[in-house]
Amino acid sequence: EVQLVESGGTLVQPGRSLRLSCAASGFTFDDYAMHWVRQAPGKGLEWVSGISRSSGDIVYADSVKGRFTISRDNAKNSLFLQMNSLRAEDTALYYCAKGYTSSCTEEFDHWGQGTLVTVSS
Amino acid sequence: QSVLTQPPSASGTPGQRVTISCSGSSSNIGSNYVYWYQHLPGTAPKLLIYRNNQRPSGVPDRFSGSKSGTSASLAISGLRSEDEADYYCAAWDDSLSGWVFGGGTKLTVL
Repeated sequence: EVQLVESGGTLVQPGRSLRLSCAASGFTFDDYAMHWVRQAPGKGLEWVSGISRSSGDIVYADSVKGRFTISRDNAKNSLFLQMNSLRAEDTALYYCAKGYTSSCTEEFDHWGQGTLVTVSS
Repeated sequence: QSVLTQPPSASGTPGQRVTISCSGSSSNIGSNYVYWYQHLPGTAPKLLIYRNNQRPSGVPDRFSGSKSGTSASLAISGLRSEDEADYYCAAWDDSLSGWVFGGGTKLTVL
């Protein structure tokens, strides 16, 4: 059974940094692309970033480009999101999602339960 | 303002058929597959329809998807109370080089 468990969400001040993690199990992690998707309070889903199986292809939403960095450690079956220069509008529940294939352009077929990031002074 | 446009709400009574529309452009729906996700807030979203009209195993055939040009739709027949959720369409956007979602449609079963 595919399991994705996010962690690292917390209350953080504007301008500070935070690193999210996603522990994956139940599938061959290094065969698949991985993504981060977020949902701000009362809003819809917003894709944040994706990374291919070998980290050779990395894509970001314009809203986070230059501030967020996605990475993965295939040896540890883990996905990360380094978030710098955080803003109030980054407040959201952050979901880790598994890609259907090794490419970032294919859909996400499994999601985690999310970890909450709150950016506030 | 979402790149893909969905109605904010839809409703129906048990047993009815409802459809949810999703409108995009040539750079997303017009040239790529459309996906639909079912989401109960605070829980993991669930893939409902992939590649325009395919159902993952375990998804009832009451759910169906279609696409025409730069628009897509999700149909739910034989509506049940457990279908009450938020529904999102999604597609890869070639111009943005990223994924785009619709704003979501809250389905209420009356």
